[in-house]
Amino acid sequence: QKEVEQNSGPLSVPEGAIASLNCTYSDRGSQSFFWYRQYSGKSPELIMSIYSNGDKEDGRFTAQLNKASQYVSLLIRDSQPSDSATYLCAVRVRGSARQLTFGSGTQLTVLP
Amino acid sequence: DAGVIQSPRHEVTEMGQEVTLRCKPISGHNSLFWYRQTMMRGLELLIYFNNNVPIDDSGMPEDRFSAKMPNASFSTLKIQPSEPRDSAVYFCASIPPGTSSNEQFFGPGTRLTVL
Repeated sequence: QKEVEQNSGPLSVPEGAIASLNCTYSDRGSQSFFWYRQYSGKSPELIMSIYSNGDKEDGRFTAQLNKASQYVSLLIRDSQPSDSATYLCAVRVRGSARQLTFGSGTQLTVLP
Repeated sequence: DAGVIQSPRHEVTEMGQEVTLRCKPISGHNSLFWYRQTMMRGLELLIYFNNNVPIDDSGMPEDRFSAKMPNASFSTLKIQPSEPRDSAVYFCASIPPGTSSNEQFFGPGTRLTVL
């Protein structure tokens, strides 16, 4: 079992719809979770972090965390073509203040 | 401020040749990470330095790979000899000091092709 798993996609949604990206992790003791966005040919950039169960909203983005189910998700409301990218889920390695384990990413395409 | 700087941006070499990738972290950052990204394996951590000291190199594939960080502003990743399966995008990332720092700042990457 991979430490961090994501559906690779591709996931296609029409412009204006809600895009839902999912991630599961294997270490029940994990405490810190991150979503990075990577445009084609570019480097990853952090868009959301979440540490507590529940929802965290930032503009059109909402991160959701359920530690009991070892599940973290990212919702993108009012999806725009500019949101088309690969979204990487990352989990901080237990016992490390700095190291992250990344999922393989979900490719999202927002259709105009 | 300049972000993480990597060079070269693209490298094409032949199997068996030595390859050296370079990274300059953001000034003041004290943790540096080398990652490799491929379609098959995603983004993998190769090695992580904190205050110029290697903390975890368990991701380094084999002895052909070596990394150094002689000072706070420079790191190298060397592959000798290179093989076609080393073809990937290699990213360097850095983090500032402090436990509240969560974001890894990635460089633009080096696209390596080994023929």
